[in-house]
Amino acid sequence: KAGVTQTPRYLIKTRGQQVTLSCSPISGHRSVSWYQQTPGQGLQFLFEYFSETQRNKGNFPGRFSGRQFSNSRSEMNVSTLELGDSALYLCASSPAPGTGELFFGEGSRLTVL
Amino acid sequence: DAKTTQPTSMDCAEGRAANLPCNHSTISGNEYVYWYRQIHSQGPQYIIHGLKNNETNEMASLIITEDRKSSTLILPHATLRDTAVYYCIVSPRRDYKLSFGAGTTVTVRA
Repeated sequence: KAGVTQTPRYLIKTRGQQVTLSCSPISGHRSVSWYQQTPGQGLQFLFEYFSETQRNKGNFPGRFSGRQFSNSRSEMNVSTLELGDSALYLCASSPAPGTGELFFGEGSRLTVL
Repeated sequence: DAKTTQPTSMDCAEGRAANLPCNHSTISGNEYVYWYRQIHSQGPQYIIHGLKNNETNEMASLIITEDRKSSTLILPHATLRDTAVYYCIVSPRRDYKLSFGAGTTVTVRA
């Protein structure tokens, strides 16, 4: 069974631009969560989606948004990029929400210049 | 969520058992203990979880003390590929997020 696939793996943007990251969960998994990882803050929860609905959102500004499609694939968008948005963005899937056993992708490493 | 305390780092010898401690003295009755690890530049990997009984799977064993205030993750025969940051997390089973701390950086040496 294929794992969680995130694209792109690496990208470089400049301040003020926007970025869209994609996540394809494990087949049959309907819950997708997003996390941001930085050296200073560690792994922080961004949002969780289930059945195309955002169930929960972490403490991030409105520039961070996401969505989930009917096939469970998910995207997250960051608008008006800031230098501090440079991070590894990780997507995780699970069969259902709230199981605690998350399957993470390799992440998308965003560098903002 | 209950907070966890883990050593910042530890070394272990290849082929020996690695015992990773975690203190969670404020754990609530409905909170599970989860262990994840993150190998450099990869996403975190789920290892094991438990509520109050000891658990074992193909990757590791989880020993939870009777009062549930601490636990130990045991890697029975550490290999160089087990070098990673190991996270101990306590969370209700139905919580929507996992709160990762700083973890323990485990270095397996030949």
